[in-house]
Parts: sequence; structure tokens; C-alpha cells
Amino acid sequence: DIQMTQSPSSLSASVGDRVTITCRASQGISNYLAWYQQKPGNGPKLLIYGASTLQSGVPSRFSGSGSGTDFTLTISSLQPEDVAIYYCQRYNSAPPLTFGQGTRLEIK
Amino acid sequence: QVQLVQSGAEVKKPGSSVKVSCRSSGGTFNRYGISWVRQVPGQGLEWMGGIIPMVGPTDYAQKFQGRVLITADESTTTAYMELSSLTSEDTAVYYCARSLDTLTLRDAFEIWGQGTMVTVSS
Repeated sequence: DIQMTQSPSSLSASVGDRVTITCRASQGISNYLAWYQQKPGNGPKLLIYGASTLQSGVPSRFSGSGSGTDFTLTISSLQPEDVAIYYCQRYNSAPPLTFGQGTRLEIK
Repeated sequence: QVQLVQSGAEVKKPGSSVKVSCRSSGGTFNRYGISWVRQVPGQGLEWMGGIIPMVGPTDYAQKFQGRVLITADESTTTAYMELSSLTSEDTAVYYCARSLDTLTLRDAFEIWGQGTMVTVSS
């Protein structure tokens, strides 16, 4: 199975900071990567698909990049409402459609 | 606007089975893949399997092969996930999620149900 590894597992940043979360695949997955945001008590919300395409309605401060094995999710200016756990997910080939282990984002 | 509405919380005994439903309202039900994803409390997301209602054959994660059955009823626009031989390790929130594009399970998940808590306890 293709493994997805996120880093860091948690981070704390100040409002207005630029935040970057990394996701690495154990094999190349082209651009078949999605990012989700999960707030406490809620299901995940799709932020980005195709590694860099912003889902409709998602604020433009979120962006994604990468291809192959290395991907990043960037929040250009952290807002209080961005406190959540972020997951990457690969969907390029046969199951399972694996998720990263998650990155917990907090405000300093 | 498409919504996925799941059935309510369940408490089950070890060794028993649970069946969770996921009803789609709005949009075209049978052309979009519906996957099931579970989340053990305090842990990450785990894809279990999925189905495209108009196509029929399902994909399952090997971990759950032989223990999970995913079906869909086009007449009621409802998908189901049945998990058998439950143990305490199956205590989790179970989500259904709809694929972004039609006729594929290998996709990002655009729409999620609200989640169903399944507790396995003697």
C-alpha cells in the first residue's frame, strides 16, 4: 500500500502567520492528492483536490502545490477559524485510498 | 444542494453486526461513488470501501475484506455499510462521503455525511 506521511504532526502559529504543512507519498501519485480540514465534532471538509485546485467556497488564503511524492498545503495568513486538523489523502490508484495521519494546527 | 444524512448512533455487543445508512438528498445519486470512512476517537481517517450505485461492484480495503458489505438502493437513494464480527476496536465514527466526480471511487470526497458513532461494548 502507498503510505502518506504528514509533517509536522502538530504546530502552533500566530494569527497572520504563513503556515505550511507537508505530505509525502511513499510512491509517486502524480497530482492525485486532496487536502481536508476537520474541526472538532465535525466531519472533514474538502479544501483542495488535484494537489492544487481550490474547492469552491474555500478561502483563497489556502493553496496547495506539489506533484509526484511531495506536496504542501499553505495558509497564507492564518486566521482563528483555521484551527483544525488537516489531512492529506491520495486517490490515484487501487484501494485503499489512504490518508495522512493528520496535522493539528493551533493558534499561539 | 446535495446532502448525505446518516442514521443515528448505535451501541453493539462484541461479535454482532451493525448496519449504517446514508441517504442522499438532491443531485444524481447513482452516478457518484459513495465511500465509507471511519475515525476511531482521537485518531485519523481510514477508508473502508465504496460503491458506485449504477455500476454495482464495490471496492474494499483489504483490512475489511470479508467483514464489510457496502450496498446501495437507487430507489431510495441510500447507501449502506454493514460491518460484522464487531470488536471494541471497531468503536469509531463512521462517515459516508461522495466522490467529487462521477463514475469513480478514486477521487477526492466532496460531500460528507454527519457521521454515525458506533460503540462496541459488552
